[in-house]
Amino acid sequence: EVQLVESGGGLVKPGGSLRLSCAASGFTFSSYSMNWVRQAPGKGLEWVSSISSSSSYIYYADSVKGRFTISRDNAKNSLYLQMNSLRAEDTAVYYCARERKIAAGGGFDPWGQGTLVTVSS
Amino acid sequence: DIVMTQSPDSLAVSLGERATINCKSSQSVLYSSNNKNYLAWYQQKPGQPPKLLIYWASTRESGVPDRFSGSGSGTDFTLTISSLQAEDVAVYYCQQYYSTQFTFGPGTKVDIK
Repeated sequence: EVQLVESGGGLVKPGGSLRLSCAASGFTFSSYSMNWVRQAPGKGLEWVSSISSSSSYIYYADSVKGRFTISRDNAKNSLYLQMNSLRAEDTAVYYCARERKIAAGGGFDPWGQGTLVTVSS
Repeated sequence: DIVMTQSPDSLAVSLGERATINCKSSQSVLYSSNNKNYLAWYQQKPGQPPKLLIYWASTRESGVPDRFSGSGSGTDFTLTISSLQAEDVAVYYCQQYYSTQFTFGPGTKVDIK
């Protein structure tokens, strides 16, 4: 079964840091680009960052550029998001999602269950 | 960045009736080399992650009921639920994957009237 499990969320003070992890199983992790998407409480989906299969290509939303760093360890089947200089507006559920190959139609599938990050003093 | 908009923000439809959601992109998401629209639709039920329903603007994901259909090209797209069922109550999002800066629409909440 293809599965993504996020961890690392929690309560952090403004200006603080947090590192999220996403453990992948059930597929060849090293063959897929991966993404982080977040959802503020009661709000819509916001794409945060993507990383290609070999980490050659990395992209960020303008809202997190310079503060967040995406990375992966293909040997450990894991995706990471290092979040620094956190702000109240970063409060959200953070999902990791596999990016399907364009030849298979593209889009994000599957998604993890998400991990909640709360930035508050 | 490509900006995605959706209408309406919410709608309430009687069971068995049709629900129609519109999505518009600020620039074309039609890739000329393969004539594919890089547009997906997702369904998100309360407390759950989003689920991919449709890709290439009109191709249903495996296992998705055929009452869900997608149409449109270029900048204007539509998701139609032909006969609304109780389990279809959810928020629906469109997403473009034409640009490396992926963007989602703001979502449309579908309820039962």
